[in-house]
Amino acid sequence: ETGVTQSPTHLIKTRGQQVTLRCSSQSGHNTVSWYQQALGQGPQFIFQYYREEENGRGNFPPRFSGLQFPNYSSELNVNALELDDSALYLCASSPDGTLYRELFFGEGSRLTVL
Amino acid sequence: KQEVTQIPAALSVPEGENLVLNCSFTDSAIYNLQWFRQDPGKGLTSLLLIQSSQREQTSGRLNASLDKSSGRSTLYIAASQPGDSATYLCAVRSGPDSGGGADGLTFGKGTHLIIQP
Repeated sequence: ETGVTQSPTHLIKTRGQQVTLRCSSQSGHNTVSWYQQALGQGPQFIFQYYREEENGRGNFPPRFSGLQFPNYSSELNVNALELDDSALYLCASSPDGTLYRELFFGEGSRLTVL
Repeated sequence: KQEVTQIPAALSVPEGENLVLNCSFTDSAIYNLQWFRQDPGKGLTSLLLIQSSQREQTSGRLNASLDKSSGRSTLYIAASQPGDSATYLCAVRSGPDSGGGADGLTFGKGTHLIIQP
């Protein structure tokens, strides 16, 4: 069984640029969520996709957007990058969209904004 | 708004000791609580999931308890080993009225654990 995989593992961008991060969910999982983890902090919920539709969002501005594809893989897009966007971005998948589900995380994408 | 606090922030103990990590949350209206392990610069590994109707879950040397009414959970690690060194994160899934973001997990900042050989 393949776990959650994310790409790229590391990337460096400059302020104002745009970035796309990718996630392949664990086999059989139809729900994907994204989290941002700043250094020394716990992860913060960005948004969630269930069957290709966003069905939950945390306190992040609209320049954070996403997609989920028919194979349940997902993208996180961040426009107009700011220095504070530097963080580890974590993708998590779960086998269903119920409130009682367990989340399984990938290794993350480390974004540095200069 | 749901808030999760983990105490202590850091802990260093000799190998072989039993230890307890604490997690508290402000809104008791949760669906479940999940404990994770995070190695430096890595993703999160799920350790235990406790549903709101459950009191505890066990996996190997790990035991997690949940007291929803008092807003507390503990993670007990028996016979600690150097390989247990990591940051341990607690997260709760609250209802949409808790203000933490509909349907997402709310995390604590973690307990950084070092097991001395």
